[in-house]
Amino acid sequence: AQSVTQLDSQVPVFEEAPVELRCNYSSSVSVYLFWYVQYPNQGLQLLLKYLSGSTLVESINGFEAEFNKSQTSFHLRKPSVHISDTAEYFCAVSAARGSTLGRLYFGRGTQLTVWP
Amino acid sequence: DTGVSQDPRHKITKRGQNVTFRCDPISEHNRLYWYRQTLGQGPEFLTYFQNEAQLEKSRLLSDRFSAERPKGSFSTLEIQRTEQGDSAMYLCASTDDRDTEAFFGQGTRLTVV
Repeated sequence: AQSVTQLDSQVPVFEEAPVELRCNYSSSVSVYLFWYVQYPNQGLQLLLKYLSGSTLVESINGFEAEFNKSQTSFHLRKPSVHISDTAEYFCAVSAARGSTLGRLYFGRGTQLTVWP
Repeated sequence: DTGVSQDPRHKITKRGQNVTFRCDPISEHNRLYWYRQTLGQGPEFLTYFQNEAQLEKSRLLSDRFSAERPKGSFSTLEIQRTEQGDSAMYLCASTDDRDTEAFFGQGTRLTVV
C-alpha cells in the first residue's frame, strides 16, 4: 500500500509571500502524485498532477510541484500567494500500475491561511 | 454535464437510524469511488465500482455500510444503525476509461446526534 505524510498541518503566510507545502510519500511501487485543494464545505478540486514526463508540473493559478523520486517528495510551491489561496491542500498518491488512478491515498492536509 | 453530483448535501440523523446517500457520476464515467473524510483528516477510501461491479472494499466499510451501483450509472451508499462515529463528509468521485483524473463531488455531510 501507499501512504502520504504532510508534515505541516497549518501554514500561515502573508499575502504576496512565497509558500511551500511539503509532501512525502511511501510506496513499494511506482506512483502517480496529486495535489487537491478544498474550500470550506466543498469537495476536492484537482490542482495539479504528476503522471509521467517532466518532474515539474504547474497549475493554471501559479502553483507548481516537483516530483523528487530519490527523496520521495512532491512539495507544492507558489512564489507569491493571494488571499484567495486560503484553503486546505491535500497531497495524494495512487499506484501507477495494477490499480485505478481514482484509488487514492491522501495525506492529512495542510491548511494554508493567507493574511493581508 | 455539471460534474459529479451528490445528494443530499447535508443530513442530520439520530443515532440508530438508517441513511442513504446518492452519487451521480459524470456521464459515461465507468468508475465510481466513495471516500469518507472526518474532521481534520484527509479523505479515506471506502469502495469503488467499475460499471456495476464493486471491485474493492476498504476495511473501513463495516457490515453496517453497503454500496450499490445497480445499473452502472448512479450509486447509493447506505449506513444502517448509524453511530456518532459515522459523522463525516462522504465524498464521491468518478473517472473515465482513460483514468487520468478523478473528479470529486461536493460531498454529503452527515451528522449523527
